[in-house]
Amino acid sequence: AQSVAQPEDQVNVAEGNPLTVKCTYSVSGNPYLFWYVQYPNRGLQFLLKYITGDNLVKGSYGFEAEFNKSQTSFHLKKPSALVSDSALYFCAVRVPLSGNTPLVFGKGTRLSVIA
Amino acid sequence: DGGITQSPKYLFRKEGQNVTLSCEQNLNHDAMYWYRQDPGQGLRLIYYSQIVNDFQKGDIAEGYSVSREKKESFPLTVTSAQKNPTAFYLCASKRSGRGQETQYFGPGTRLLVL
Repeated sequence: AQSVAQPEDQVNVAEGNPLTVKCTYSVSGNPYLFWYVQYPNRGLQFLLKYITGDNLVKGSYGFEAEFNKSQTSFHLKKPSALVSDSALYFCAVRVPLSGNTPLVFGKGTRLSVIA
Repeated sequence: DGGITQSPKYLFRKEGQNVTLSCEQNLNHDAMYWYRQDPGQGLRLIYYSQIVNDFQKGDIAEGYSVSREKKESFPLTVTSAQKNPTAFYLCASKRSGRGQETQYFGPGTRLLVL
């Protein structure tokens, strides 16, 4: 079975400092990994994904994530946090056994960027 | 969100009542999904459909039903058997094929029990 763990319910960071939101996964097979962001009372917005190739992937709003197969991790990072980055972040995984199997999500991490 | 609409934005259910949440997409996506979001629990899969006239149960299907009669539409009915329906419901869709890996989400419907 596939699973995703986001070990931190809440991450606080000062504006301008680098941020990291952690994600580890457990799958059998090669994973497809995703990060989404959710603002209050809104749907999820896609940030970035790792499918294959370069382990460092870049996404929207200056975010990036690094796929680490040996540590089964896919941490989300940003060099300089903005107050507007404050939101709920979800990591998700899928193993492409068939084309449209659903994503499995972590429980989310609330990021708070303090001015 | 674009291309996926969910209605209504807020829905109130009385005891013993069935209610239906609408999800429509104009993206020509083959697959559609329903998730339930509760605080601190992330997103849990209710049902999904990979093609028209076919759907599969997710992890928490009890008390819910779906249909997929048209490619664009995947309505979710919350039946009276669902004893704790208060949650935020999210619909998503995805195109089939290589390179089409991303699920896109609608804006959500918040269901409240009166």
